[in-house]
Amino acid sequence: SQQGEEDPQALSIQEGENATMNCSYKTSINNLQWYRQNSGRGLVHLILIRSNEREKHSGRLRVTLDTSKKSSSLLITASRAADTASYFCATDKQAGTALIFGKGTTLSVSS
Amino acid sequence: GAVVSQHPSRVICKSGTSVKIECRSLDFQATTMFWYRQFPKKSLMLMATSNEGSKATYEQGVEKDKFLINHASLTLSTLTVTSAHPEDSSFYICSASGHAVYGYTFGSGTRLTVV
Repeated sequence: SQQGEEDPQALSIQEGENATMNCSYKTSINNLQWYRQNSGRGLVHLILIRSNEREKHSGRLRVTLDTSKKSSSLLITASRAADTASYFCATDKQAGTALIFGKGTTLSVSS
Repeated sequence: GAVVSQHPSRVICKSGTSVKIECRSLDFQATTMFWYRQFPKKSLMLMATSNEGSKATYEQGVEKDKFLINHASLTLSTLTVTSAHPEDSSFYICSASGHAVYGYTFGSGTRLTVV
């Protein structure tokens, strides 16, 4: 099962630019998390935002959550070539239940 | 932090054989483990949820007789792909929940290639 969609599916930018990815989901959630995956590798946890939070920051990352629209966005500021990866949002309905992943956005940052 | 060790990282097997993938939580007790499958350039699809000591719950469309999941202890879950076929070639990732701080912890994944 898949929770929702990421938008855009693919994004190409230059180093130093900002990258914004959006995620929509279908059901009520407990938390929403963003993960990064380099090609052929495992997942790296980036940030978690709780359903009662609206915005969260971590370094160059900014996540927003709009539960009324069932959507979230991930902003990566001042992007670097090393940010090139696939980014997935994932939600859980309640603590301890499975994370359901969105389809992902493939980000390519060129130097 | 919470660590989940997944082995092997890569495996190549012949059609018709079975492959076992292990997922261990090293420093916490994983009350629940989840198994995902990922095709190239696609997202992670949940295959099944397993709780220690009980039968796994499989997602719709996942063959439980083909993908055998055993969660015999609070630190170990295994996924066995039985009678593997080339279409079973994929990236398999486990996830454990139960850590008080980190919530969900993912293994590093297993690249299965069936030839």
